[in-house]
Amino acid sequence: QVRLQESGPGLVKPSQTLSLTCTVSGDSINAGLYFWSWTRHLPGKGLEWIGYVHHSGDTYFNPSLRSRITMSADTSKNELSLKMRSLTAADAAVYYCARGIYGGSSYYLDQWGQGVRVTVSS
Amino acid sequence: QSVLTQPPSASGTPGQRVTISCSGSRSNIGSNYVCWYQQLPGTAPKVLIYKNNQRASGVPDRFSGSKSGTSASLAISGLRSEDEAAYYCAAWDDNLSSLIFGAGTNLTVL
Repeated sequence: QVRLQESGPGLVKPSQTLSLTCTVSGDSINAGLYFWSWTRHLPGKGLEWIGYVHHSGDTYFNPSLRSRITMSADTSKNELSLKMRSLTAADAAVYYCARGIYGGSSYYLDQWGQGVRVTVSS
Repeated sequence: QSVLTQPPSASGTPGQRVTISCSGSRSNIGSNYVCWYQQLPGTAPKVLIYKNNQRASGVPDRFSGSKSGTSASLAISGLRSEDEAAYYCAAWDDNLSSLIFGAGTNLTVL
């Protein structure tokens, strides 16, 4: 059974960079089928997809966030990482990593981590 | 305002059948598959339905999905108290070049 676990600071100062890690167990991120995703749940605003990273290093980001995001996959550690720059209060959310399955005109997230709450405050 | 439109709330009594709608456009639901997620309070989302009507592993057959044109629906039959949760539809949007979610529907079991 695959398990995803997010980790990172719960509190980030405005204008700083958020760095989150997702440790995957029970499955290899090298499996070619999967596009590992980050999504956030904004308070009072629902879910927002941030982007995905493939084990090959290919990435694809939500255009509204693209200028501030870096994602990578470390196959030796079976870990994913998300970096988001220039944080503001509007970025406060619960951040989830998830395993994505992409095929044809279908992309869905079949396994999710428990999420990490991020607060942006000085 | 979400590109995919869902009713903010829905309700039903135990045993009833409830339907949640998701309205989009040609660039999302009209061109791509729809999936549905359930989010119980304080937990991560969980996929219920993918590719419009395929139940994810372990999902009871009380949950079903359908799609017609630029709209999709999630139906829950034999409503149970543990179904009380937020439900989100999602689809890829070709114009926005992004995965998009509806704003979510909070289901109350009376």
